[in-house]
Amino acid sequence: GEDVEQSLFLSVREGDSSVINCTYTDSSSTYLYWYKQEPGAGLQLLTYIFSNMDMKQDQRLTVLLNKKDKHLSLRIADTQTGDSAIYFCVLALSSGSARQLTFGSGTQLTVLP
Amino acid sequence: DAGVIQSPRHEVTEMGQEVTLRCKPISGHNSLFWYRQTMMRGLELLIYFNNNVPIDDSGMPEDRFSAKMPNASFSTLKIQPSEPRDSAVYFCASSPPLRLAGEGGELFFGEGSRLTVL
Repeated sequence: GEDVEQSLFLSVREGDSSVINCTYTDSSSTYLYWYKQEPGAGLQLLTYIFSNMDMKQDQRLTVLLNKKDKHLSLRIADTQTGDSAIYFCVLALSSGSARQLTFGSGTQLTVLP
Repeated sequence: DAGVIQSPRHEVTEMGQEVTLRCKPISGHNSLFWYRQTMMRGLELLIYFNNNVPIDDSGMPEDRFSAKMPNASFSTLKIQPSEPRDSAVYFCASSPPLRLAGEGGELFFGEGSRLTVL
């Protein structure tokens, strides 16, 4: 099955950029997502990218996809304390159905003042 | 829109007791998922319903766990008898019908039920 790897922790200073990385094994994923989980809350979809795209930008967020290296990254510009959360890399198989999602272990982002 | 509603938010119980967790999905969503989150194992899919029918329960740990969805607006996850290793945060999530082939994957999560079994 699909294997999705993320580093567990990342710390950055407020105002700096954060880059959260994810590697995966199955190249048949059609949709690749980033979900955010704030303390004591459920996961929320942050952004996503289709597998036929290399980059997607949405305000402070930039998603980069390198299909050759099976590498996905999320860059947060001008990181704020409110960005402190766990970020999950999530892949959907070719059907795109929510039932075929594979979650990474999550990266805990800590933003230091 | 109220979002996915779960209850209770917190439950502390003793080993051997029955635990029932409840979920109300977002109106109009036809898929419902139960997940379990622990530090050791991360996020695990327990069971998935589509149009109130259980489609995949291969993630349910053992016979002590059961889930039902009697109608489109309500689901329960029951643990009987509970054990300390069941301590976790249990999330319910729902998703809308797929409008287009290949679309989908967005899950709407509830805030979770934190279960502690002593």
